[in-house]
Amino acid sequence: QVLLVESGGDLVKPGGSLRLSCAASGFTFSDYYMTWIRQAPGKGLEWISYIESNGDTKSYADSVRGRFTTSRDNAKDSLYLQMNSLRAEDTAVYYCASGSRDYFDYWGQGTLVTVSS
Amino acid sequence: QSALTQPASVSGSPGQSITISCTGTSSDVGGYNYVSWYQQHPGQAPKLMIYDVSDRPSGVSNRFSGSKSGNTASLTISGLQAEDEADYYCSSYTSSRTLVFGGGTKLTVL
Repeated sequence: QVLLVESGGDLVKPGGSLRLSCAASGFTFSDYYMTWIRQAPGKGLEWISYIESNGDTKSYADSVRGRFTTSRDNAKDSLYLQMNSLRAEDTAVYYCASGSRDYFDYWGQGTLVTVSS
Repeated sequence: QSALTQPASVSGSPGQSITISCTGTSSDVGGYNYVSWYQQHPGQAPKLMIYDVSDRPSGVSNRFSGSKSGNTASLTISGLQAEDEADYYCSSYTSSRTLVFGGGTKLTVL
């Protein structure tokens, strides 16, 4: 069955950096768009970024563009989110999701990123 | 990238039907047939319920249906059941080649 497992969440100081990973299994990873979505504590969902199946096309939300970078390694069935210049408002559970560009049919369980001094 | 507008809460009794609206603009909901809906129970990851406005993934009950008129999409749940109590989010592709979610709607089954 499809399994997405995020890792890398941690407590980091404002201005710091963090790299999240998402390990995929149970499907042909290289055939699908992958997306990062986050959810601040007690808040709604926020789309962050997607990356096309071959990695050529990426898109970012205004709130993270220039600070976050999405990448993938199809040989390792893995998705990554490099987060720089972190702010308190980046505190959230970060989900990876698979599917198409415009919908997400499988989600991981999320990893918590806390930005605080 | 303003969030799509959803009612904060809706409620209904078991067996009834409810509809959750999702209002955007001609640059997102109104411009593309790429609206999806997600169900999220407390402490769990979201689950895809509807994609491309009205298509249902395999395994999702046919009590869930989607539609769109102009800049507003809707999710209808018929024959409400206790297990339908959850948060629901809409999402749409946008003209900026990004995605945007609605603020979420808490469904209470009375």
